[in-house]
Amino acid sequence: SQQGEEDPQALSIQEGENATMNCSYKTSINNLQWYRQNSGRGLVHLILIRSNEREKHSGRLRVTLDTSKKSSSLLITASRAADTASYFCATDGETSGSRLTFGEGTQLTVNP
Amino acid sequence: NAGVMQNPRHLVRRRGQEARLRCSPVKGHSHVYWYRQLPEEGLKFMVYLQKENIIDESGMPKERFSAEFPKEGPSILRIQQVVRGDSAAYFCASSPNIGGEAFFGQGTRLTVV
Repeated sequence: SQQGEEDPQALSIQEGENATMNCSYKTSINNLQWYRQNSGRGLVHLILIRSNEREKHSGRLRVTLDTSKKSSSLLITASRAADTASYFCATDGETSGSRLTFGEGTQLTVNP
Repeated sequence: NAGVMQNPRHLVRRRGQEARLRCSPVKGHSHVYWYRQLPEEGLKFMVYLQKENIIDESGMPKERFSAEFPKEGPSILRIQQVVRGDSAAYFCASSPNIGGEAFFGQGTRLTVV
């Protein structure tokens, strides 16, 4: 398996519910970033969390990082139909320099 | 304050032709990265460049693919003698420094027919 794996692969929820997506990685990292991609579009940067941080908030987004378990989670609270998109985590590691290693993504569908 | 600009957005090429993909980074950013995304997959790193230098090309196929980031002008990803398997979305990202937030362009969707 590869660096940066998200689970679940697909998640379907109702508007107003919370969505939690997880990401695991294998090697030591400097930073972990979460991105959103709407179908057929580019990536939108959501949040960056550094290896010495444990939690970060931005609006309805909450990201946690557990370096001992090599995992991160992205929580979207009070989801909206407009949150429907693919969500990717990406890591840049101590050995990979500044290039990002992406997971395969979680496809989130928020039903109105 | 323009973000990363990629052009063209869509490119159709016949097998054997050349594809040139352009990327203008955010103004002031000197680090450029190219990624490829196949349908239903995540992005895969191809190459990392700083002005006039290739820093890491470990993700780029040795044959037919090349990249440059000249002192003046956009970064170019060039694919010679394209094959059907080259059909993908190619994304460019830029950052102001190593380890900083990477800003992505909208991508170029290459279709080889």
